[in-house]
Amino acid sequence: GAVVSQHPSRVICKSGTSVKIECRSLDFQATTMFWYRQFPKKSLMLMATSNEGSKATYEQGVEKDKFLINHASLTLSTLTVTSAHPEDSSFYICSAIAGVMSGANVLTFGAGSRLTVL
Amino acid sequence: AQSVTQLDSQVPVFEEAPVELRCNYSSSVSVYLFWYVQYPNQGLQLLLKYLSGSTLVKGINGFEAEFNKSQTSFHLRKPSVHISDTAEYFCAVSVRQAGTALIFGKGTTLSVSS
Repeated sequence: GAVVSQHPSRVICKSGTSVKIECRSLDFQATTMFWYRQFPKKSLMLMATSNEGSKATYEQGVEKDKFLINHASLTLSTLTVTSAHPEDSSFYICSAIAGVMSGANVLTFGAGSRLTVL
Repeated sequence: AQSVTQLDSQVPVFEEAPVELRCNYSSSVSVYLFWYVQYPNQGLQLLLKYLSGSTLVKGINGFEAEFNKSQTSFHLRKPSVHISDTAEYFCAVSVRQAGTALIFGKGTTLSVSS
């Protein structure tokens, strides 16, 4: 089946540094990937839609300059949290469209990346 | 815009008891509906989905859900739960359009005790 790998699974960084999270589709090509943020005991908030070869589409309220998304190939999307602060600490999850079934996107989710900013 | 409301934030049940996790959605257009499960510090696993056809959908791990268009609901049920079903459950919708993301509810924590 379609597999999405996220790396790193956990990362701890100092305030003010930048952190890059990778999302890879291992056995399929993904022209579209989505980045979600999950707060403790909260739902997944859609941050942005990442399209290969074009700029990401950000949801309202998400800072484009803080959360840089790059989708340079059909198998890799990256999320860079720039100048991270403690309030950016969260669980970040990516998902990729692995195919279409009966008109619906078949989404595969990564295992998530837990970011802790000290 | 679409929205999802999960009416119960926490549902505690005893092992082997039946359970229902409630989900209502709002949308001005036709949607697809999904239930996902998340175990601690893990990603999301698809339990089941409603795309079209029969309104009763069966998924993995003995779960099923029923789509009710008139009540805009998609409640998840299991006749007999196990300790291993303890997890966070998310209801989600997406519009019937290629390339669109899922919109999630706030989640329901199912706690199964012996």
